Amino acid sequence: GENVEQHPSTLSVQEGDSAVIKCTYSDSASNYFPWYKQELGKRPQLIIDIRSNVGEKKDQRIAVTLNKTAKHFSLHITETQPEDSAVYFCAASAASLSQGGSEKLVFGKGTKLTVNP
Amino acid sequence: NAGVTQTPKFRILKIGQSMTLQCAQDMNHNYMYWYRQDPGMGLKLIYYSVGAGITDKGEVPNGYNVSRSTTEDFPLRLELAAPSQTSVYFCASSYSWGNTEAFFGQGTRLTVV
Repeated sequence: GENVEQHPSTLSVQEGDSAVIKCTYSDSASNYFPWYKQELGKRPQLIIDIRSNVGEKKDQRIAVTLNKTAKHFSLHITETQPEDSAVYFCAASAASLSQGGSEKLVFGKGTKLTVNP
Repeated sequence: NAGVTQTPKFRILKIGQSMTLQCAQDMNHNYMYWYRQDPGMGLKLIYYSVGAGITDKGEVPNGYNVSRSTTEDFPLRLELAAPSQTSVYFCASSYSWGNTEAFFGQGTRLTVV
C-alpha cells in the first residue's frame, strides 16, 4: 500500500520568510497529491492540490511542485504571515483502481508551521 | 449547505462502554471516510465506504465497526472502548475516488477513562 513520509515535523520561520514542506510517496500509481491545512482545534481543509500531469501549481502565496520520477512533492509558502501558522498535511492517492494503486487518501504525519511576527 | 456534520463534538467513555459516532453529509458524495488523529500525529484511516452498502477496512480498523445504509450517513461504532481509542475522530467525504477534495467534519474528541 501507499506510504507517505513528510518532513520536517516542525518548522519555525520569521514573518515574511518562505517555508517549504516536503513529502515522499511509495506507490508509483498515485497521481493525486493534495495539501491540507489544519488550524488549532479545527478540521483539515484543502489548500491546494496537484495531479501527476502537472509539475507545478500556484495559488497566490502557495505553490506545490511534483517530481514523479523521484516520487516527491513539496509545498512552498512565500511571504509567510502569522495566520499561516497551522499543521499542514500532504496526502497521496490513485485516480482509479483500474490504474492500480489504492483509492484511499493516505496522509503524511503533518508539519507544524509556526510563523513568528 | 451543512457539508459534513459529526456528532457528538466531545464524549467521555468508561472502559468497556460502547458508542456510535454519527456522520452525515448533504453533498451526495459516494465516498466517505473515518480517520482518527492522535495528539501530534497525522490522520490514520479507520474505515471507508465507496457507496451505500459497501465498506472496507483502512489502516487501523480493530475495535471499530461501520455501516453505510444510505448515501448520506456513515456511523462509526466503538465496541468495548479502550484507553487506546482516546483520539480525535474525523469523518470526511469526497465526490469520487481520492482524487478530489475531501471535506471533513468538525471532529469528535473522545476520551476513554
